Amino acid sequence: GDSVTQMEGPVTLSEEAFLTINCTYTATGYPSLFWYVQYPGEGLQLLLKATKADDKGSNKGFEATYRKETTSFHLEKGSVQVSDSAVYFCALSDNTGNQFYFGTGTSLTVIP
Amino acid sequence: DVKVTQSSRYLVKRTGEKVFLECVQDMDHENMFWYRQDPGLGLRLIYFSYDVKMKEKGDIPEGYSVSREKKERFSLILESASTNQTSMYLCASRQSGQRQETQYFGPGTRLLVL
Repeated sequence: GDSVTQMEGPVTLSEEAFLTINCTYTATGYPSLFWYVQYPGEGLQLLLKATKADDKGSNKGFEATYRKETTSFHLEKGSVQVSDSAVYFCALSDNTGNQFYFGTGTSLTVIP
Repeated sequence: DVKVTQSSRYLVKRTGEKVFLECVQDMDHENMFWYRQDPGLGLRLIYFSYDVKMKEKGDIPEGYSVSREKKERFSLILESASTNQTSMYLCASRQSGQRQETQYFGPGTRLLVL
């Protein structure tokens, strides 16, 4: 069945460092791919998404490109800030739009 | 602005109590979901609902039941709370059949069972 695998955490970076969180997926057909962010004590909120191959989602300096050839959707940011400290979830919506799959989450801590 | 609300942010209950967690969405979404989130385990789906009075078991339904009498409201019920149900509970809603649509999450309810 469809699934999402994301990089284990936790990840600790210094402010202004480059961030990559890896996410790969298994799916049939044409899924949509998402990144969610969860700040401490809150629910998940959509960070960005991409709905077809080669699409790039971007928001708040974060980017991810839907790579069908490598079945990947890695999250990147060029210069992280302390306020980016959160848990990040990769997710997939299947071809039918009726099933949703989450990765296990990657905790990011950014230190000044 | 879309909104999913949960009845409580924090809840403390005793073992054996019946617990109700309420979730309301204002987006006219068909699909609603209940997850629990535990450290190191990510999000685990408890139950979901495709429509009013419809429900489907998720990955970990044991010890839980749900009710969806109105489209906007989806309730999670712990029939007899146990300490291993101490967790963060997240509700979400989503437009059905649209693969590009995101899930919208509530703020979560942190439940402690003593």
